[in-house]
Amino acid sequence: EVQLVESGGGLVKPGGSLRLSCAASGFTVTTFSMNWVRQAPGKGLEWVSSISGSSENVYYADSVKGRFTISRDNTKNSVHLQMNSLRAEDTAVYFCARNRGSSWFDPWGQGALVTVSS
Amino acid sequence: QSVLTQPPSASGTPGQRVTIFCSGSSSNVGSNTVNWYRQLPGTAPKLVIHSNNKRPSGVPDRFSGSKSGTSASLAISGLQSEDEADYYCAAWDDNLNGPVFGGGTKLTVL
Repeated sequence: EVQLVESGGGLVKPGGSLRLSCAASGFTVTTFSMNWVRQAPGKGLEWVSSISGSSENVYYADSVKGRFTISRDNTKNSVHLQMNSLRAEDTAVYFCARNRGSSWFDPWGQGALVTVSS
Repeated sequence: QSVLTQPPSASGTPGQRVTIFCSGSSSNVGSNTVNWYRQLPGTAPKLVIHSNNKRPSGVPDRFSGSKSGTSASLAISGLQSEDEADYYCAAWDDNLNGPVFGGGTKLTVL
């Protein structure tokens, strides 16, 4: 069964850092683009970042560029999102999702809640 | 403000057909395929339509998608209470060089 499981969410103070992980099973992360999509409380979906199958290409939304870093660990078949200089507006559930092309995301992980508050 | 525009709410009675619309521009819906997601409260989004009109395995044929120009739609026929959820459209945006989503439509089954 193809599955994604996120971990690493939690409460962090403004300006702090947090690292999210996404463990994949049922497929190899090097064969797909892997993405992070977030959803602020009561709001819609916002794409955050993606990493290509070869890891040669990484992309970020303007809202997180320069603060977030996406990476892949092939030995653990996982993807990570290092989040630095966190702001209150980064508070959201962060979903990991496999990309099948364009805006085709399937499956999605269960999500990890990140709360940025003093 | 979302790049793609969806009505915030839609409703129907059991057995009815409901259509949810998604409006974009030439840089996204007009030039790329549209995908639709369904999200139940407190859960992750789930793909219900990909590539404008294709249903993933396991999605009932009551769900259908279409696209024309810079607009797309998701139709649900034979509405059931379990269809009550939030629905999001998505498309790649050539100007932003990334995927964009609609603001979501909350479907209520009366």
